Amino acid sequence: AQSVTQLDSHVSVSEGTPVLLRCNYSSSYSPSLFWYVQHPNKGLQLLLKYTSAATLVKGINGFEAEFKKSETSFHLTKPSAHMSDAAEYFCVVSDNGGFKTIFGAGTRLFVKA
Amino acid sequence: EPEVTQTPSHQVTQMGQEVILRCVPISNHLYFYWYRQILGQKVEFLVSFYNNEISEKSEIFDDQFSVERPDGSNFTLKIRSTKLEDSAMYFCASVSGDGHPYFGPGTRLTVT
Repeated sequence: AQSVTQLDSHVSVSEGTPVLLRCNYSSSYSPSLFWYVQHPNKGLQLLLKYTSAATLVKGINGFEAEFKKSETSFHLTKPSAHMSDAAEYFCVVSDNGGFKTIFGAGTRLFVKA
Repeated sequence: EPEVTQTPSHQVTQMGQEVILRCVPISNHLYFYWYRQILGQKVEFLVSFYNNEISEKSEIFDDQFSVERPDGSNFTLKIRSTKLEDSAMYFCASVSGDGHPYFGPGTRLTVT
């Protein structure tokens, strides 16, 4: 069965320090993986996506993620956090060309000055 | 960049009333989804739709809910008799051939 686990419900970092948001998945097929960001009272914005091309994926706003099949992980990283990065982040897995698309529970990122 | 649109952006309704939330997916996509997000909570899967029928639905998607694609372009979610706990943001998504979900901006439903 397909599932997505975001290992941390909350992550708190200081401005200028690295960000790591963890996501593990299980899938019966070769999955497509995505990270979305949601700022308060806003919609879902795509940060980056993996769809079976390069395993290290670069996204917007300095974020990147690495698809590690052996670890079934797709962790989101950023070298230096900015105050504007404070938001909710969702890892999303899409199986079999879109037949099944599910969300992780989300990780709320706090950035301290 | 193609986009999914949703109308209305905000709907206020009284408990017991019927509401229809509308979505226009991207035209060449085949899979369509509705998700719900209660304020401050996670995004919950409601239903997926493929080839003009429901392919999967969650336990949230009870008999009060229905979906249809009446004219080959619009994709609607109907709630027959709204309850207070239906108050949430509702997101529509259509999925491209490589599995990339494109989300609409959402409809905020407030049931009073």
